[in-house]
Formats: sequence, C-alpha cells, structure tokens
Amino acid sequence: SQQGEEDPQALSIQEGENATMNCSYKTSINNLQWYRQNSGRGLVHLILIRSNEREKHSGRLRVTLDTSKKSSSLLITASRAADTASYFCGIQGAQKLVFGQGTRLTINP
Amino acid sequence: NAGVTQTPKFQVLKTGQSMTLQCAQDMNHEYMSWYRQDPGMGLRLIHYSVGAGITDQGEVPNGYNVSRSTTEDFPLRLLSAAPSQTSVYFCASSRNQGVGTEAFFGQGTRLTVV
Repeated sequence: SQQGEEDPQALSIQEGENATMNCSYKTSINNLQWYRQNSGRGLVHLILIRSNEREKHSGRLRVTLDTSKKSSSLLITASRAADTASYFCGIQGAQKLVFGQGTRLTINP
Repeated sequence: NAGVTQTPKFQVLKTGQSMTLQCAQDMNHEYMSWYRQDPGMGLRLIHYSVGAGITDQGEVPNGYNVSRSTTEDFPLRLLSAAPSQTSVYFCASSRNQGVGTEAFFGQGTRLTVV
C-alpha cells in the first residue's frame, strides 16, 4: 500500500490565486519531497524538506512539515497557467522513496 | 547530460510474452528504482537497488525481476506479461538514499499487454 496520501485529489483555481496541497503519511521519515508531473512526462523534483526542518521556501513554493501529525503541505503562491500539472509527495524512509496518488492542479486563465 | 534514459518509450506485448525494460543513468548514482503508474493510483514502487549487486522489493514486486550488475544500468524484466501489467513504467535514480537527495526520473515506458 502507498504510504503517502495527497489531498485534495483535484484542485482548480484562477490564475494568480494560491494553491495549497496536503500530504499525510504513516511511517517515520528521513525527509519528504515534492515533485511535479506534466502530462505524459516523468516526475520533476521541486523541493526537499528534512525531518528536522519545519518550513522551507523555494521561489513561489513553500513547504511545511509537521512530523507529530505526519503531514506536509505545499503552497504555490501567485499561480500561473504553467503550474497546471500533477503534484506528488515522496515519502523518503531509510531506503525507499514512495509516493501517494497525487493532486491534479488546474490553473484557469 | 542524458540523465536517466528509458527504452523503449512504447511497447505492446501479447499475454505470456517476456521483455526487458531498459534503464540507464550517467550520473554515477548509487540508488535506482522502478515505479509503475496507473490512473488514479499514483506511483507504486516495484523494485529498487542501493548499489551494484544489491536489489530489494518494493510495494508491488510480483511478476517483475531486476538485477544490477553495473552502477549505470537497472533493467526490469517481465517474464510472462499479463494484462494487469499494462501501465506506464518509470525508472528513477538518486545519488544515495541514506542522506536523502532528489530523484531524477526517466520519461517513462508505456506498456500495453493484450
């Protein structure tokens, strides 16, 4: 069974708005990673947050991690049409990197 | 740099046929893995390798074999294809997993078993 669960499964917003996606997991982690997948392509790494970190920023991306609640969130600010994609959280254990089913984000012009 | 290269990009197999999906990386990464992606299921880990000569099972290993004779290559073998193995397969590599580094993905192999 997959160890990560993203919520919501689908999200549709207007260009310029902020998008928030959540990830919950079940086991202890070394780190948590977020990836983007454009239709028909491989995953592309966005940001990594280690288990001893609580927040991380990269450009328009902000990731938080709450290990006590086993959850993480990805915030994309000032969304653009090019942000339309599926987003996955990767749960990194001692050896395995596993994913949830993803959030499909659609940015409407 | 080529990164992670998967071949073929598309493949149609008949039930019972065998084939090997190729994956090669030119980044000298220790860790390599195979995932399958089905609609609504996200990515599921099939097998992974932490270095040459070492492989282990992931979440859905049944029906698949792997080996890792070199650092660069990590082929995935289907010995007797079944329609349930129709999926998109992704290979990924990363520098190592202990510290935690980003994974680089190939462009995928779309496999249809009829």
